[in-house]
Formats: sequence, structure tokens, C-alpha cells
Amino acid sequence: AQKVTQAQTEISVVEKEDVTLDCVYETRDTTYYLFWYKQPPSGELVFLIRRNSFDEQNEISGRYSWNFQKSTSSFNFTITASQVVDSAVYFCALSGPSGTYKYIFGTGTRLKVLA
Amino acid sequence: GAVVSQHPSWVICKSGTSVKIECRSLDFQATTMFWYRQFPKQSLMLMATSNEGSKATYEQGVEKDKFLINHASLTLSTLTVTSAHPEDSSFYICSAGSLGGSSYNEQFFGPGTRLTVL
Repeated sequence: AQKVTQAQTEISVVEKEDVTLDCVYETRDTTYYLFWYKQPPSGELVFLIRRNSFDEQNEISGRYSWNFQKSTSSFNFTITASQVVDSAVYFCALSGPSGTYKYIFGTGTRLKVLA
Repeated sequence: GAVVSQHPSWVICKSGTSVKIECRSLDFQATTMFWYRQFPKQSLMLMATSNEGSKATYEQGVEKDKFLINHASLTLSTLTVTSAHPEDSSFYICSAGSLGGSSYNEQFFGPGTRLTVL
């Protein structure tokens, strides 16, 4: 069975601190995809990143970085020098081989960045 | 590209009435669309998977007669909440999967519809 665990329900940090959001997944598929989405108070999901199971390279995009480790089935997300605008709920999601589309979402981590 | 719209963005209705929510893929064709429900401070819960021209597949525990889904074209799916009650108040999100052959299993999400039933 597929499963995504985001153990951190809520995190509060002070602006400019770095913060890491954890995501651990379970799947029997050899080909799968991992995603991170941001959901600000407006509710609209904002796509952040997609990673396939064959690409373990870490990715950096501005203040955002992602660490994908198949050995530990983790796909963690780090925000460097956090800002108040980063306050949102962040979801990690997993999908199976091409053609299935169905996502398994984690329970989300609510990040509060305090000024 | 890959824009999905939802209409309306919010709706308030009286108990017992039916409400229709539209989900459109604006710049691509979607053979598969998904409908999610999200309660406050909770994750997205998949309600059903909708394939163009066929009946929707509902997740366990979701009443198909209560939540009617129609996917009549490759760019439009509708969710009708029939005889809505206050417990149906929620944030409804649709998403669309791109038409075959994509190397990525990606859903493109609509902005959501907030339903309040009085």
C-alpha cells in the first residue's frame, strides 16, 4: 500500500530561520513520483516540485531545496531564511507509475513564520 | 500552461438545495479529473475519479447519489452536491490529469470552491 507521512503537524519559526519539513513515503512501485505543494490561506494549491523515483539529485530553487533519499524513503523540503510569506500548509504527495495519476497526500505541515 | 479553473469560487446555499461546481481545463485536454474535499485543517480527501465519457469511480464512503459527477467532455467535469446539508460545507478542489503520454504523473489543481450550507 502507498502511504505518505508528514509527522510534523505544525512548525513555528522566527523569520530568517531555516526550516525543514519532513516527508516519508511508502510504496512498492519501482517507478513513482513525489510532489510538494504549498497551500496558502487562500486555499489554492501551489505546485512546488515534482521528482521521479529515478532522479535522486537534490534540487535547489532560490530559498527552497529538496533532499530525496530513496534509502530512507524520504523527500524532505528545506526553506532557507524563511519569510512571513512562507506561512502556509505544505503537502507532500506520492503517485504511482505513469497513467495512474492518483495521488496519495500526506496530512500536511502547517508552517508559521513569525516576524 | 496547464490551467484549471473552478466555478464558483464560493457558494452559500440553503439546506436542501443542490449546488453544481464546474471544473475546466483551460489549455489542455484532461481524460481524467479528480474531485477532492478538504475540511478545515485537514488534508485533501479524494472523493472520486472522473474519466471522460464514463461513470466516475467513487472512493469508499463517498455517496455517489449525493455527489453526482459528470465528465462530459475533455475539458469539463461537474460535481453536483444534491440536497446539501450543513455537514456538506467544505472546500472542494478539482484537478485534471493531462491527456496521455505525459512523462509525468501530474495533476493540475483548480483554485477550489468553498461551499457553505446554511
